[in-house]
Amino acid sequence: AQSVTQPDIHITVSEGASLELRCNYSYGATPYLFWYVQSPGQGLQLLLKYFSGDTLVQGIKGFEAEFKRSQSSFNLRKPSVHWSDAAEYFCAVGAWGSYIPTFGRGTSLIVHP
Amino acid sequence: NAGVTQTPKFQVLKTGQSMTLQCAQDMNHNSMYWYRQDPGMGLRLIYYSASEGTTDKGEVPNGYNVSRLNKREFSLRLESAAPSQTSVYFCASRQATTNEKLFFGSGTQLSVL
Repeated sequence: AQSVTQPDIHITVSEGASLELRCNYSYGATPYLFWYVQSPGQGLQLLLKYFSGDTLVQGIKGFEAEFKRSQSSFNLRKPSVHWSDAAEYFCAVGAWGSYIPTFGRGTSLIVHP
Repeated sequence: NAGVTQTPKFQVLKTGQSMTLQCAQDMNHNSMYWYRQDPGMGLRLIYYSASEGTTDKGEVPNGYNVSRLNKREFSLRLESAAPSQTSVYFCASRQATTNEKLFFGSGTQLSVL
């Protein structure tokens, strides 16, 4: 079975600063990896996903993530954070043949002006 | 494009009352899911339906039942609500292929007193 760890419960950054949110997964084969964002009072929206090919994946809203097999990681990055990026971010992992993606516990991003 | 529609958005129940959360999707998706979201716990899968006519338990099924009424609709029933079921409930759907993203509804905030 697959699992996901998001080590940081909260991250605080200043507007304009760079951002990296950590995600580590556990799965025996090549996983399918996702990052979702949840704005207050809303459902989750996909930011980006990886399932094969180039290990650096570009997503919406200027986000990117890099799959590092050797570190079992899929960290989310953004070079310059905007106040509107304040939200909850979830990493998720899926497996071939499984209908059930597994979600991490989420990281709450706080952006200071 | 309605996407995934959940009703109601808010509900307050007394302990022991029953209710059904409704979910419908208009994207012709095969798979549908019910999650609950609690602070610090991330998203936990209650039940899922891989395709019309099938349902399976997820991580936290106790106290819930589901019905996949047709391809569009997937309802979640609380037969005898308990305070521990106070949570935000999300319905999601996607195509059957496992590397596809989930589409989420906007959630139902349920309080059980």
